[in-house]
Amino acid sequence: DIQMTQSPSSLSASVGDRVTVTCRASQSIADYLHWYQQKPGKAPNLLIYSASSLQSGVPSRFSGSGFGTDFTLSISSLQPEDVATYFCQQGYSRPLTFGGGTKVEIK
Amino acid sequence: QVQLQESGPGPVKPSQTLSLTCTVSGASISSGGYSWSWVRQHPGKGLEWIGYIYNTGTTYYNPSLKSRVTMSVDTSKNQFSLRLSFVTAADTAVYFCARVHNDCLDHWGRGTLVTVSS
Repeated sequence: DIQMTQSPSSLSASVGDRVTVTCRASQSIADYLHWYQQKPGKAPNLLIYSASSLQSGVPSRFSGSGFGTDFTLSISSLQPEDVATYFCQQGYSRPLTFGGGTKVEIK
Repeated sequence: QVQLQESGPGPVKPSQTLSLTCTVSGASISSGGYSWSWVRQHPGKGLEWIGYIYNTGTTYYNPSLKSRVTMSVDTSKNQFSLRLSFVTAADTAVYFCARVHNDCLDHWGRGTLVTVSS
């Protein structure tokens, strides 16, 4: 199985800050990397697919980059509604696997 | 828009079989082009992919659960289902159904908590 490692596991930032979350795959996964946002008590919501493509309806302050084994999710200007846990997921091979999550809070 | 809704009978006793159904609206399972997945989340934990099924009935299961998982699809009702046998307390989790497109999960159900307890 491909292991997905996210860092940090949690972070606290101020409104308006730029926030970056990192995801590393245990082997190359090309750009088969997707990002989800999960708010408390809710289902995950697809934010970014194929490493850098913004899902329809997702605010443009979210962006993704990376290829191979190292990927990042960025929020250009953190907003109160961005408080959530963010997960990466590889779609390169089965079983599909997720990162452990990064909890983002407002300072 | 595409909506998915999980349903199931409620708490399950150890060693019994967990059964859940996902009803899809706003999209037709029989039209193809997608697969239909189950994912679970243990309380306060991360996400675990259980497997997915195509409208043809072709399935792929997570090897960690493969011996206990069965998925099926009913295109006439636009539903797909999960059965997990010989459950233990470790199977207590929120179970989500989701649509899979190009190996990413683009629409999710709200999830249903399944508790395994005697």
